[in-house]
Amino acid sequence: DGGITQSPKYLFRKEGQNVTLSCEQNLNHDAMYWYRQDPGQGLRLIYYSQIVNDFQKGDIAEGYSVSREKKESFPLTVTSAQKNPTAFYLCASTGFPSSYNSPLHFGNGTRLTVT
Amino acid sequence: RKEVEQDPGPFNVPEGATVAFNCTYSNSASQSFFWYRQDCRKEPKLLMSVYSSGNEDGRFTAQLNRASQYISLLIRDSKLSDSATYLCVVNIPGNQFYFGTGTSLTVIP
Repeated sequence: DGGITQSPKYLFRKEGQNVTLSCEQNLNHDAMYWYRQDPGQGLRLIYYSQIVNDFQKGDIAEGYSVSREKKESFPLTVTSAQKNPTAFYLCASTGFPSSYNSPLHFGNGTRLTVT
Repeated sequence: RKEVEQDPGPFNVPEGATVAFNCTYSNSASQSFFWYRQDCRKEPKLLMSVYSSGNEDGRFTAQLNRASQYISLLIRDSKLSDSATYLCVVNIPGNQFYFGTGTSLTVIP
């Protein structure tokens, strides 16, 4: 079955450490996204990538970095510069550019706790 | 100004009731629209796309009003299993997807 896999499901880190969240998709989607969700809030866009080797900052990119070396993979690194990294991180993908009205498909998320 | 505004609720309704959620968006060039459902501590899942002419899927009806820049979701004959947070989503030029903060629905027996 096609889908998006995020790992790990839960991640615990000490303050000051960088951490990388994995996102892999086998849907042959061109576009991939990272969102962050805080309790009781909506999803906020961190980074997105329309094609391999290209990505753009979203609304809250500070303290995060990404890479898109393969179509299937879009890892997110949460750096020590991110002031409030504890959150629920969601990776998503969609067909682009030919799939007008194509919705986002989500992985099941990674809960990151930094203490 | 936020790209998408949504009443957070909560909406507490009895089983069998009809409930409606609205959402407004700021970018008049927005291209596509969706409603997602999110259960507690889970990822959002697509409920339905929203088409210009309006569309229905069982007990769920979605409407789009481009002139007023809002989308709506109507749930008829509410079930206990409909309890969740409902997110409206707008795709703006550049293929960016923006989410409302979500509307919480609790269906009471």
